[in-house]
Amino acid sequence: QQQVRQSSQSLTVWEGETAILNCSYENSAFDYFPWYQQFPGEGPALLIAIRSVSDKKEDGRFTIFFNKREKNLSLHIKDSQPGDSATYFCAASANSGTYQRFGTGTKLQVVP
Amino acid sequence: EAAVTQSPRNKVTVTGGNVTLSCRQTNSHNYMYWYRQDTGHGLRLIHYSYGAGNLQIGDVPDGYKATRTTQEDFFLLLELASPSQTSLYFCASSEGTTRNEQYFGPGTRLTVL
Repeated sequence: QQQVRQSSQSLTVWEGETAILNCSYENSAFDYFPWYQQFPGEGPALLIAIRSVSDKKEDGRFTIFFNKREKNLSLHIKDSQPGDSATYFCAASANSGTYQRFGTGTKLQVVP
Repeated sequence: EAAVTQSPRNKVTVTGGNVTLSCRQTNSHNYMYWYRQDTGHGLRLIHYSYGAGNLQIGDVPDGYKATRTTQEDFFLLLELASPSQTSLYFCASSEGTTRNEQYFGPGTRLTVL
């Protein structure tokens, strides 16, 4: 069963808009949530990550909002650029666990 | 230079064929992973290892063997390939498991006819 869910398989936004990518999880023990960005023809690369003790993590135009009670989080990409067009994977892991679990990915297209 | 490399980048084989995918990392990381990526399923962990000679099973290990010969080298073996194993395969490395960034290779596209 999918322990980490990304509800949208794809998302299209206009250049300059804020793209919002959603993620939810099942396991209450998950306490570390990285987001990976993957461009076509490449492997994923870490973009930004948050620990469950925080409810927000910001890095430039990228912000993670985390809701522990609801077991969901979202990645906001402010002022989206065509170069942000990529697939974004949400992942999760527990300190007591063995490895990171990945979601199914959301393919973002930013239209000029 | 790339810290995680994979070979071959593309491979076509027939049902029942024998395939070995190779991965090498120069990060001096302890952990290495093999994933498959399929539309609608995302990245799914096949096997992982925390050092030479060690092997752990992931979420989708059936039909796959793996071997970690050195800290740098991790191999994925498909001894009787099936069409259901047609996929994009990624290798990754990390210093630890749950808290650490994973560094991915460029991927190997495998087609089983």
